[in-house]
Amino acid sequence: EDQVTQSPEALRLQEGESSSLNCSYTVSGLRGLFWYRQDPGKGPEFLFTLYSAGEEKEKERLKATLTKKESFLHITAPKPEDSATYLCAVYDYKLSFGAGTTVTVRA
Amino acid sequence: GAVVSQHPSRVICKSGTSVKIECRSLDFQATTMFWYRQFPKQSLMLMATSNEGSKATYEQGVEKDKFLINHASLTLSTLTVTSAHPEDSSFYICRVSFHNEQFFGPGTRLTVL
Repeated sequence: EDQVTQSPEALRLQEGESSSLNCSYTVSGLRGLFWYRQDPGKGPEFLFTLYSAGEEKEKERLKATLTKKESFLHITAPKPEDSATYLCAVYDYKLSFGAGTTVTVRA
Repeated sequence: GAVVSQHPSRVICKSGTSVKIECRSLDFQATTMFWYRQFPKQSLMLMATSNEGSKATYEQGVEKDKFLINHASLTLSTLTVTSAHPEDSSFYICRVSFHNEQFFGPGTRLTVL
Protein backbone atom coordinates (compact mmCIF):
# COMPACT_ATOMS: atom_id res chain seq x y z
CA GLU A 1 0.00 0.00 0.00
CA ASP A 2 1.27 3.45 -0.92
CA GLN A 3 2.33 5.59 2.01
CA VAL A 4 3.10 9.29 2.14
CA THR A 5 4.51 10.98 5.23
CA GLN A 6 5.03 14.70 5.49
CA SER A 7 7.15 16.48 8.06
CA PRO A 8 7.08 18.63 10.00
CA GLU A 9 3.38 18.81 10.75
CA ALA A 10 3.64 22.56 11.30
CA LEU A 11 6.33 25.12 10.57
CA ARG A 12 6.51 28.66 11.86
CA LEU A 13 8.96 30.92 10.06
CA GLN A 14 10.05 34.49 10.26
CA GLU A 15 9.76 36.41 7.02
CA GLY A 16 12.94 35.77 5.04
CA GLU A 17 13.82 32.60 6.97
CA SER A 18 14.31 29.86 4.39
CA SER A 19 13.32 26.28 5.20
CA SER A 20 12.38 22.92 3.70
CA LEU A 21 9.40 20.61 3.91
CA ASN A 22 9.83 16.87 3.57
CA CYS A 23 7.64 14.28 1.88
CA SER A 24 8.70 10.64 2.28
CA TYR A 25 6.94 8.02 0.24
CA THR A 26 6.72 4.34 -0.53
CA VAL A 27 5.02 3.41 -3.76
CA SER A 28 5.29 0.45 -6.09
CA GLY A 29 5.33 2.39 -9.32
CA LEU A 30 5.58 6.17 -9.09
CA ARG A 31 3.86 7.92 -11.97
CA GLY A 32 4.15 11.35 -10.44
CA LEU A 33 4.66 13.22 -7.19
CA PHE A 34 2.60 16.35 -6.74
CA TRP A 35 2.90 19.35 -4.50
CA TYR A 36 -0.17 21.45 -3.77
CA ARG A 37 -0.82 24.53 -1.74
CA GLN A 38 -4.10 24.76 0.14
CA ASP A 39 -5.46 27.88 1.76
CA PRO A 40 -8.21 27.62 4.40
CA GLY A 41 -11.60 27.01 2.82
CA LYS A 42 -10.21 26.44 -0.65
CA GLY A 43 -9.33 23.48 -2.82
CA PRO A 44 -5.72 22.44 -3.37
CA GLU A 45 -3.83 24.64 -5.81
CA PHE A 46 -1.38 22.84 -8.06
CA LEU A 47 2.28 23.75 -7.62
CA PHE A 48 4.53 21.09 -9.14
CA THR A 49 4.65 17.63 -10.62
CA LEU A 50 7.87 15.62 -10.41
CA TYR A 51 8.27 12.40 -12.32
CA SER A 52 11.74 11.01 -11.75
CA ALA A 53 14.58 11.07 -9.23
CA GLY A 54 16.87 14.03 -9.70
CA GLU A 55 14.18 16.23 -11.15
CA GLU A 56 13.82 19.77 -9.82
CA LYS A 57 11.22 22.46 -10.47
CA GLU A 58 11.02 26.07 -9.35
CA LYS A 59 8.31 28.66 -9.08
CA GLU A 60 9.02 32.01 -7.47
CA ARG A 61 10.24 31.27 -3.94
CA LEU A 62 9.45 27.56 -4.12
CA LYS A 63 11.66 24.75 -5.36
CA ALA A 64 10.72 21.08 -5.39
CA THR A 65 13.19 18.22 -5.62
CA LEU A 66 12.73 14.47 -5.88
CA THR A 67 14.73 11.40 -4.92
CA LYS A 68 13.69 7.76 -5.01
CA LYS A 69 12.38 7.93 -1.46
CA GLU A 70 11.45 11.53 -0.77
CA SER A 71 10.73 14.97 -2.05
CA PHE A 72 11.59 18.34 -0.59
CA LEU A 73 9.82 21.63 -1.02
CA HIS A 74 12.25 24.44 -0.34
CA ILE A 75 10.89 27.86 0.53
CA THR A 76 13.45 30.59 -0.02
CA ALA A 77 13.05 33.91 1.82
CA PRO A 78 9.36 33.29 2.54
CA LYS A 79 6.80 36.07 2.79
CA PRO A 80 3.60 36.11 4.86
CA GLU A 81 1.59 35.29 1.72
CA ASP A 82 3.40 31.95 1.57
CA SER A 83 1.48 30.90 4.69
CA ALA A 84 -0.63 27.88 3.76
CA THR A 85 -0.84 24.12 4.10
CA TYR A 86 1.39 22.34 1.64
CA LEU A 87 0.23 18.91 0.52
CA CYS A 88 2.28 16.19 -1.09
CA ALA A 89 0.68 13.38 -3.07
CA VAL A 90 2.00 10.40 -5.01
CA TYR A 91 0.26 8.98 -8.04
CA ASP A 92 0.36 5.31 -8.95
CA TYR A 93 -2.96 5.22 -10.80
CA LYS A 94 -4.26 6.16 -7.39
CA LEU A 95 -3.53 9.43 -5.65
CA SER A 96 -2.31 9.12 -2.06
CA PHE A 97 -1.93 12.22 0.08
CA GLY A 98 0.26 13.10 2.99
CA ALA A 99 -1.28 14.87 5.95
CA GLY A 100 0.26 18.19 4.95
CA THR A 101 2.58 20.74 6.50
CA THR A 102 1.03 23.96 7.73
CA VAL A 103 3.43 26.84 7.19
CA THR A 104 3.00 30.14 9.00
CA VAL A 105 5.25 33.02 8.01
CA ARG A 106 5.39 35.96 10.40
CA ALA A 107 6.19 39.44 9.17
CA GLY B 1 -7.64 29.92 -15.41
CA ALA B 2 -9.72 27.36 -13.56
CA VAL B 3 -9.67 23.84 -14.90
CA VAL B 4 -12.30 22.44 -12.56
CA SER B 5 -15.30 24.26 -11.09
CA GLN B 6 -17.67 23.34 -8.30
CA HIS B 7 -21.10 24.65 -7.44
CA PRO B 8 -22.16 25.78 -4.97
CA SER B 9 -19.09 27.03 -3.13
CA ARG B 10 -20.91 26.84 0.17
CA VAL B 11 -24.29 25.58 1.29
CA ILE B 12 -26.13 25.55 4.58
CA CYS B 13 -29.05 23.19 4.98
CA LYS B 14 -31.32 21.73 7.61
CA SER B 15 -30.84 18.23 8.91
CA GLY B 16 -32.74 15.69 6.82
CA THR B 17 -32.56 17.55 3.54
CA SER B 18 -30.58 16.52 0.47
CA VAL B 19 -27.87 18.62 -1.10
CA LYS B 20 -26.45 18.35 -4.62
CA ILE B 21 -22.91 19.43 -5.43
CA GLU B 22 -21.73 19.80 -9.01
CA CYS B 23 -18.22 19.32 -10.36
CA ARG B 24 -17.41 20.46 -13.88
CA SER B 25 -14.31 19.84 -15.94
CA LEU B 26 -13.87 23.04 -17.91
CA ASP B 27 -10.91 22.35 -20.19
CA PHE B 28 -11.18 18.70 -21.15
CA GLN B 29 -13.42 15.70 -21.10
CA ALA B 30 -13.13 13.52 -18.04
CA THR B 31 -14.36 9.96 -18.04
CA THR B 32 -13.37 9.73 -14.40
CA MET B 33 -13.78 12.22 -11.58
CA PHE B 34 -12.99 11.76 -7.94
CA TRP B 35 -14.79 13.02 -4.83
CA TYR B 36 -13.02 13.85 -1.60
CA ARG B 37 -14.09 14.97 1.84
CA GLN B 38 -11.89 17.04 4.10
CA PHE B 39 -12.52 17.68 7.78
CA PRO B 40 -10.85 20.61 9.57
CA LYS B 41 -7.09 20.27 9.92
CA GLN B 42 -7.13 16.90 8.14
CA SER B 43 -6.01 15.83 4.72
CA LEU B 44 -8.25 14.89 1.83
CA MET B 45 -10.03 11.55 2.09
CA LEU B 46 -11.16 9.86 -1.10
CA MET B 47 -14.84 9.03 -1.00
CA ALA B 48 -15.57 7.64 -4.42
CA THR B 49 -14.57 7.46 -8.05
CA SER B 50 -17.15 8.70 -10.50
CA ASN B 51 -17.21 6.95 -13.86
CA GLU B 52 -19.00 8.42 -16.86
CA GLY B 53 -21.81 6.16 -17.97
CA SER B 54 -21.39 3.60 -15.22
CA LYS B 55 -21.71 3.20 -11.49
CA ALA B 56 -19.38 4.97 -9.13
CA THR B 57 -16.96 2.99 -7.03
CA TYR B 58 -16.92 3.84 -3.35
CA GLU B 59 -14.13 3.64 -0.82
CA GLN B 60 -14.54 1.40 2.17
CA GLY B 61 -16.77 2.92 4.80
CA VAL B 62 -18.52 5.35 2.45
CA GLU B 63 -22.26 4.69 2.15
CA LYS B 64 -23.26 4.62 -1.50
CA ASP B 65 -26.92 5.20 -0.67
CA LYS B 66 -26.10 8.30 1.30
CA PHE B 67 -23.63 9.82 -1.15
CA LEU B 68 -25.20 9.45 -4.57
CA ILE B 69 -22.92 10.10 -7.51
CA ASN B 70 -24.05 10.73 -11.06
CA HIS B 71 -21.61 11.20 -13.91
CA ALA B 72 -23.99 11.93 -16.72
CA SER B 73 -21.58 13.60 -19.12
CA LEU B 74 -17.88 13.84 -19.80
CA THR B 75 -17.71 17.22 -18.10
CA LEU B 76 -20.10 16.93 -15.18
CA SER B 77 -20.28 14.80 -12.05
CA THR B 78 -22.70 15.42 -9.21
CA LEU B 79 -22.54 14.33 -5.59
CA THR B 80 -25.82 14.30 -3.69
CA VAL B 81 -25.68 14.06 0.07
CA THR B 82 -29.03 12.51 0.97
CA SER B 83 -30.77 13.10 4.29
CA ALA B 84 -27.87 15.17 5.48
CA HIS B 85 -26.98 15.28 9.15
CA PRO B 86 -24.62 17.54 11.10
CA GLU B 87 -21.86 14.93 10.93
CA ASP B 88 -21.92 15.30 7.14
CA SER B 89 -20.75 18.88 7.51
CA SER B 90 -17.44 19.02 5.73
CA PHE B 91 -15.50 20.39 2.79
CA TYR B 92 -16.19 18.41 -0.37
CA ILE B 93 -13.68 18.59 -3.22
CA CYS B 94 -13.64 16.98 -6.64
CA ARG B 95 -10.60 16.04 -8.70
CA VAL B 96 -10.10 15.48 -12.39
CA SER B 97 -7.21 13.51 -13.83
CA PHE B 98 -5.79 14.33 -17.25
CA HIS B 99 -2.64 12.73 -18.65
CA ASN B 100 -1.27 12.01 -15.16
CA GLU B 101 -1.94 15.60 -14.08
CA GLN B 102 -4.34 16.07 -11.19
CA PHE B 103 -6.60 19.10 -10.91
CA PHE B 104 -8.84 19.94 -8.00
CA GLY B 105 -12.00 21.95 -7.80
CA PRO B 106 -12.27 24.89 -5.42
CA GLY B 107 -14.36 22.86 -2.97
CA THR B 108 -17.84 23.10 -1.49
CA ARG B 109 -18.34 23.87 2.18
CA LEU B 110 -21.41 22.01 3.47
CA THR B 111 -22.87 22.95 6.83
CA VAL B 112 -25.79 20.92 8.12
CA LEU B 113 -27.72 22.51 10.96
